[in-house]
Amino acid sequence: QKEVEQNSGPLSVPEGAIASLNCTYSDRGSQSFFWYRQYSGKSPELIMSIYSNGDKEDGRFTAQLNKASQYVSLLIRDSQPSDSATYLCAGSRGGSQGNLIFGKGTKLSVKP
Amino acid sequence: DAGVIQSPRHEVTEMGQEVTLRCKPISGHNSLFWYRQTMMRGLELLIYFNNNVPIDDSGMPEDRFSAKMPNASFSTLKIQPSEPRDSAVYFCASSFTGLQGAFFGQGTRLTVV
Repeated sequence: QKEVEQNSGPLSVPEGAIASLNCTYSDRGSQSFFWYRQYSGKSPELIMSIYSNGDKEDGRFTAQLNKASQYVSLLIRDSQPSDSATYLCAGSRGGSQGNLIFGKGTKLSVKP
Repeated sequence: DAGVIQSPRHEVTEMGQEVTLRCKPISGHNSLFWYRQTMMRGLELLIYFNNNVPIDDSGMPEDRFSAKMPNASFSTLKIQPSEPRDSAVYFCASSFTGLQGAFFGQGTRLTVV
């Protein structure tokens, strides 16, 4: 069973701090990875994608990928209360880039 | 772009009734996905179409569930007969095969009583 595992949280950080979200995956054939943000009662929103080992930065967000360790992370710098949401990690099913396996998500709470 | 459009947004139906959920993917996208989300199981892929052809329907829970994609701009997910355990949020998502990830519609919240 191919899986993506995330700590369900909740993860609580103070406003302005760095939030660190992690996930691991079991499918070594996965080539691309994505982070989605989902506010309560809303649909998942794609915020980051990463395909190569290393870091990828986009504004306050940095995604990190380590294929040898089968590990993906998302760092949110200068966390804001508006970042409070559930963050879903997803990996492509081996050989099928658009077909994703999702983790169950980590709930992040940013306290003012 | 209007994004992925789903209808209805909310559906309440009685057990045993037929339910049809509808989806219009983003224009130009060639892959379409139906997901179901519950608190217990998270986001589960039900079925995946590529170029209107069903590629993987291993997530469809039972024969009561069926999905069609008659053309590149429309798909339906049908549950017949519906049961209370089918209550969930059903999302449609689309992507352009490659490295983009999938973009989700607003979802249909289904309640079967």
